[in-house]
Formats: sequence, structure tokens, C-alpha cells
Amino acid sequence: DTGVSQNPRHKITKRGQNVTFRCDPISEHNRLYWYRQTLGQGPEFLTYFQNEAQLEKSRLLSDRFSAERPKGSFSTLEIQRTEQGDSAMYLCASSLGGTGSQPQHFGDGTRLSIL
Amino acid sequence: AQKVTQAQTEISVVEKEDVTLDCVYETRDTTYYLFWYKQPPSGELVFLIRRNSFDEQNEISGRYSWNFQKSTSSFNFTITASQVVDSAVYFCALSGPDNYGQNFVFGPGTRLSVLP
Repeated sequence: DTGVSQNPRHKITKRGQNVTFRCDPISEHNRLYWYRQTLGQGPEFLTYFQNEAQLEKSRLLSDRFSAERPKGSFSTLEIQRTEQGDSAMYLCASSLGGTGSQPQHFGDGTRLSIL
Repeated sequence: AQKVTQAQTEISVVEKEDVTLDCVYETRDTTYYLFWYKQPPSGELVFLIRRNSFDEQNEISGRYSWNFQKSTSSFNFTITASQVVDSAVYFCALSGPDNYGQNFVFGPGTRLSVLP
């Protein structure tokens, strides 16, 4: 069973640049989630997909953030015009749809550092 | 709104000691699910256990045990005979009837350090 895969593991960029992260979920999982985690905090929900449909976005997700899951498989999260406050770990998770009993399985995350 | 509180920010124990991590939750749902995750220094969140709101039986898995008490809205996690490899941040999480979006809430985590 291949787990959730995220690329890159680390991204260092200058303020104002655009960045894109990729997430490959567990193959049979139809739900995919993006979270942001800052130091000393639990993951905060950003957005989630069921298949290719983006069904919910957090108020944390500003206009500079966009996520896609074009074929219901992998997903990308793009941040435009990055700011210092965007520095964080970005986590992707996937789960089987249905009831809340299904655990979310997480990838290793992408650590973003803004210079 | 759903909320999870983990009052212990950091705990340090010496190897072989038992340690309990506290989790208190708030929800208005009658059906809900509770989870524990482990985040070792490598960063990946590892799923440990899930309980549903209708099953208050305690569970034991090796050195790990979980105590779910609806009366006090608590879902505590005990590690028996702790080991250095148990050092990690542990998160308690709460989900409503449908596991989606803002309905899945994590606590702030408890950092456990097990000293040799």
C-alpha cells in the first residue's frame, strides 16, 4: 500500500515568488485534504476535494492560494506572491469518502520557507 | 463548533515510565469520531486509533491504551513503559458524522520527550 506522497519535501523561495506543491493520495481514496501547520500548532484545514470537486475552502485560504485536483487523482496547491507569513508545513491527506469514521492518512508534508 | 483541547503542551518522562496524554473535546454532534495521531520528528502524521461516540469501551494495543469517557468529554491516551522511540508530538482530533473539511479538527498537540 503506497502512502500519500508530497513533493517537494522542502521549498525555499523569495518573497513575492509563486510556488506549487504536489500531492499524490492513496490510490483508492476519493477524498483529498490540504492543511497548513505552523510550529507548535496542530494542522489547520485549508481545503478538501471529493474526486475532482473542491467542496470546501477555509477562510484561511486567501485569494493567493489555489488548489486543483483535475482528474480526481493528484492535487496541486499553488501560492501566488508568497509572503513571510506563508512559511509553514503544508500537509496533504487522503481518505475514503463516506462517514466521519474514515481516518485521514497524511503525507510527509512540504516545508515552505520564505526568505 | 468543534473544539479539541490538549492542555499539556510538553511532557518529559524517563524511559519505562507510564505517561498519559489528555484530550478534551467539545461537539454538538451526537455521532462523532475521535482520533489520535503521532507526529515524530520526521514530520509525517501517523494514524494511531479511531473511536466512535457510541463505543466507550477502552482499547489496548500493545503498550498503548485509550480511555474514552463521554461523561467528561475526554479521550485520553496512555503509553505504558515508554520508550525513546515514543518521543513525538501527539495530536488528538475530532470529526463529525462526515469526515470533511472544517468538521475535522485537531488539538494543539502534546510534545512527549522520553529520556533514556
